[in-house]
Amino acid sequence: AQSVTQPDIHITVSEGASLELRCNYSYGATPYLFWYVQSPGQGLQLLLKYFSGDTLVQGIKGFEAEFKRSQSSFNLRKPSVHWSDAAEYFCAVGGNNDMRFGAGTRLTVKP
Amino acid sequence: DAGVIQSPRHEVTEMGQEVTLRCKPISGHDYLFWYRQTMMRGLELLIYFNNNVPIDDSGMPEDRFSAKMPNASFSTLKIQPSEPRDSAVYFCASSRRSGGELFFGEGSRLTVL
Repeated sequence: AQSVTQPDIHITVSEGASLELRCNYSYGATPYLFWYVQSPGQGLQLLLKYFSGDTLVQGIKGFEAEFKRSQSSFNLRKPSVHWSDAAEYFCAVGGNNDMRFGAGTRLTVKP
Repeated sequence: DAGVIQSPRHEVTEMGQEVTLRCKPISGHDYLFWYRQTMMRGLELLIYFNNNVPIDDSGMPEDRFSAKMPNASFSTLKIQPSEPRDSAVYFCASSRRSGGELFFGEGSRLTVL
């Protein structure tokens, strides 16, 4: 069965600092991988996705993620965080007609 | 396109009452999903449909929960009778294809007193 683990429940970074959010997955075949962001009171919005090909994918709002098959990871990165990036971030794995989400990582941005 | 539309946005009801949540997916999307989000359990997949047919309802917590999709543009999630532990945000999402990107509605926040 597919599953997703986000080891960090809460991360705090200073504005302008770099960010990396971790995601590990379990899946029997080549997965489809996603990162979503959720602002308070809102639904989830897609940041980026990996289906195949280049293992470094670019997304919206300056985010990128790298698929590492050997580590079963799909970590999200951003070189310089903005105060508006404060939100909840969810990693997800799909490919079998459904999608499973990690528990989420809450990002706080310090001024 | 207007995106996935859910109603109501907020519902407060008393224990034992019937609750019906509604969802209109994006036109042309063949997959529809119902998720529940709570602080304790995160995002849980309740059920999903493909071409209006329920494919996997293993996430539906109990017989009190039921979901239907009578046509391609409408789905309901019903809880009868409701209980306080059903309090959560319920999200509907749709997708164009298998394993593809999900487009989420803004959610229905349910509070059962």
